[in-house]
Amino acid sequence: DAMVIQNPRYQVTQFGKPVTLSCSQTLNHNVMYWYQQKSSQAPKLLFHYYDKDFNNEADTPDNFQSRRPNTSFCFLDIRSPGLGDAAMYLCATSRGLGSEQFFGPGTRLTVL
Amino acid sequence: AQKITQTQPGMFVQEKEAVTLDCTYDTSDPSYGLFWYKQPSSGEMIFLIYQGSYDQQNATEGRYSLNFQKARKSANLVISASQLGDSAMYFCAMRGEKDKIIFGKGTRLHILP
Repeated sequence: DAMVIQNPRYQVTQFGKPVTLSCSQTLNHNVMYWYQQKSSQAPKLLFHYYDKDFNNEADTPDNFQSRRPNTSFCFLDIRSPGLGDAAMYLCATSRGLGSEQFFGPGTRLTVL
Repeated sequence: AQKITQTQPGMFVQEKEAVTLDCTYDTSDPSYGLFWYKQPSSGEMIFLIYQGSYDQQNATEGRYSLNFQKARKSANLVISASQLGDSAMYFCAMRGEKDKIIFGKGTRLHILP
């Protein structure tokens, strides 16, 4: 089945230690998104790629970076995680901008 | 400015009853789309249903239907014959200006046996 896969499902890191979360898709969608979701809140868009074009949300901290080496894969790099970065990170894809999004299962990040 | 409002932070409903989850929106863009997503405790967001602003009929997908009232700017999700597996967080979302999608704060639905 076509799907969005995120690895790992759970990630524990130490304060200030860089961490990378990965997302892959078999849907061949043009757009890939990264969201941060804290407990009982709506997902907050960090950035998205339309093909190779990177679009950063204005309020996304510089601490968060992303790479999309090819259509299938997208990575979220957190350069120096703080305690406030502990959250669920959701990857999503869509055929085009504004189309329905298909989400992965998320990676729950814990920062010690 | 775009805005999505879900006024019900939580709801308790008896199994097999119908459920209506409220969503109101605001946008100045005449072309927009409305989505509903379900998020179980496992965390994955599941797309349920979509309504375009120019669609003449209310969207339906199985037990889910969207009660779209354009003049009132509301897009309520109706779940018929609720099941225990419907217990989850439900998010209303809107595609508006520049194709940006914004999410409401969500409604946590509890189905009681």
